[in-house]
Amino acid sequence: QKEVEQNSGPLSVPEGAIASLNCTYSDRVSQSFFWYRQYSGKSPELIMSIYSNGDKEDGRFTAQLNKASQYVSLLIRDSQPSDSATYLCAVIEPAGANSKLTFGKGITLSVRP
Amino acid sequence: DGGITQSPKYLFRKEGQNVTLSCEQNLNHDAMYWYRQDPGQGLRLIYYSQIVNDFQKGDIAEGYSVSREKKESFPLTVTSAQKNPTAFYLCASSLSSGSYNEQFFGPGTRLTVL
Repeated sequence: QKEVEQNSGPLSVPEGAIASLNCTYSDRVSQSFFWYRQYSGKSPELIMSIYSNGDKEDGRFTAQLNKASQYVSLLIRDSQPSDSATYLCAVIEPAGANSKLTFGKGITLSVRP
Repeated sequence: DGGITQSPKYLFRKEGQNVTLSCEQNLNHDAMYWYRQDPGQGLRLIYYSQIVNDFQKGDIAEGYSVSREKKESFPLTVTSAQKNPTAFYLCASSLSSGSYNEQFFGPGTRLTVL
């Protein structure tokens, strides 16, 4: 059973700080990695995707992937109260035309004004 | 205005009833998916479809059925055989079902069994 673990949470940071969200996965051959943001009562919204080792930056968000250590992280710089949400990590294993997403349970982030 | 729509937003079901949740997309995506989310849990895959007239079971397909008669539409029926159907149901779509394709979600349907 492929697993995606998001164990650290809930997370609380002050406004303006860097929030660091971590995710580990069990399948060494996993190929594609995604971060979704989900506000309470709403559906998930894709905020970052990353496919190769290293960092990928998009505005205040940076995704970091380390396939050797099987972890992917999301950094949120200059955190704002509007960033308060649950962040879901999702992973696809390379199965060609039948690739499916496996989700972690999410980390709840609270940004204190 | 492209996107994924789901209806209804809220649905109440009596014991023993079948109910159908609607999912429509105008993104011209080939692949569509149904997930279920329970409080404090990650999303679990119910069914997915890569092309019209074809679909596959996900991890928790028992008690559910789907059809894919049109590219734009992927309705989900929650049957009376589903023992614990109260949950948040999410429909998603992607350009195709390959490893690099991002999935985008509709707004969801919240189903409650009375």
